[in-house]
Amino acid sequence: QEQLVQSGAEVKKPGASVKVSCKASGYTFTDYYLHWVRQAPGQGLEYMGWINPSSGYTDYAQLFQGRVTMTRDTSISTAYLELSRLRSDDTAVYFCARDYFRVNTAMRTGLHSLFYFWGQGTMVTVSS
Amino acid sequence: EIVLTQSPGTLSLSPGERATLSCRASQSVSGRALAWYQQKPGQAPRLLIFSASSRATGIPDRFSGSESGTDFTLTISRLEPEDFAVYYCQQYSSSPRAFGQGTKVEIK
Repeated sequence: QEQLVQSGAEVKKPGASVKVSCKASGYTFTDYYLHWVRQAPGQGLEYMGWINPSSGYTDYAQLFQGRVTMTRDTSISTAYLELSRLRSDDTAVYFCARDYFRVNTAMRTGLHSLFYFWGQGTMVTVSS
Repeated sequence: EIVLTQSPGTLSLSPGERATLSCRASQSVSGRALAWYQQKPGQAPRLLIFSASSRATGIPDRFSGSESGTDFTLTISRLEPEDFAVYYCQQYSSSPRAFGQGTKVEIK
């Protein structure tokens, strides 16, 4: 059964960093891009970027460039999102999501970022 | 950059009624690369429709998607109690792969 399981809730102070994990199972981790999306309380979905677990290549949404780092550990099929210089408006649920398209298809066609299934979400609260 | 505008913001309907949700793109979405997701409170979104009109695995056939130029529509033919949720459209043809702002389908 394909699934993504995320780490637990975090409470951080402004200016700190947070690192959220997303463990994949039920499929070959390196075969699909892994994405991160966040949702502030009562708000819509905000796309953050993706990582190619096979190569480690990343592509970040402009809004987060300079503050976000996406990494992976293929030995344990886990992806990580690190967000630095936290502000109160970073308070949100952070989701990881697996792509629908295989990496080789994405690289050949340019089609990717269709979110096939999602992790359960990780609540990050930024408060002094 | 493609901007997606969803309407209405909220749709108040009764079980058994038909729901029609709109998603308008600011420019052409190449390859009909538009998806619809359903999100219930406290849950992650779930993929319903991709390629504008293809249902994802396990999605009931009361959900359908269509496209006319830059206008995309999600139709729920007869609302079941479990269909009351927020629905988002998202384009995956070009960067940034952004979402619409969502339509809430609530019980009237």
